[in-house]
Amino acid sequence: DILLTQSPSYLSASVGDTVSVTCRASQSVQSFVNWYQQKPGEAPKILMYATSRLLTGVPSRFAGSGSGTDFNLTISSLQPEDFATYYCQQTFTTPLHSFGQGTNLDIK
Amino acid sequence: QVHLEQSGAEVRQPGSSVKVSCKSSGDFFGSYRITWVRQAPGQGLEWMGGVIPVFGTGTYAQSFQDRLTISADESTDTAYMELRSLTSDDTAVYFCARVSNFGEYYDFWGQGTLVTVSS
Repeated sequence: DILLTQSPSYLSASVGDTVSVTCRASQSVQSFVNWYQQKPGEAPKILMYATSRLLTGVPSRFAGSGSGTDFNLTISSLQPEDFATYYCQQTFTTPLHSFGQGTNLDIK
Repeated sequence: QVHLEQSGAEVRQPGSSVKVSCKSSGDFFGSYRITWVRQAPGQGLEWMGGVIPVFGTGTYAQSFQDRLTISADESTDTAYMELRSLTSDDTAVYFCARVSNFGEYYDFWGQGTLVTVSS
């Protein structure tokens, strides 16, 4: 099984800041990494797939990068609605998938 | 617009089983893979397995291999997740989600079903 490790697990930031979350895979997953956002009491929401492809309606302040084993989610100019938990997911081994443990982004 | 409606909350005793349903509306159910993901209280997302209804055979995370069955009924556009030999560690919210045909990502999710395992 491919293990995904996210860092940091917790991140405090202020509105307007730029933050970055890292997702490291235990082996290469090429570019098959997705990012989800989850708010308390809600189902996760897809932000981007295949490392950097934003879904329609996702603000351009969200950006993804990386390949192989190291991936990043960067959020520029944080907005109040961005404070949530973020998960990376690998689908390289489809139909078997896995998630990172999550990064809780809260307001400073 | 696709909508996934899950069955209601369940309480089970340790050692028993639970079966959660996920009814799809709004699109061609049979050709999309449905996956199940769970989330223990205060914890992260855990991928469990999935099924393509038209094929019917589930694929499972290794940690659930022996006690999980994921199935689908095309006649009712409903997917099912059955977990057996429950322990308190299985207390979680269970989500179904649809895998997009445009890319391997989950584009629609059910609302979640809380399963509580307690004696």
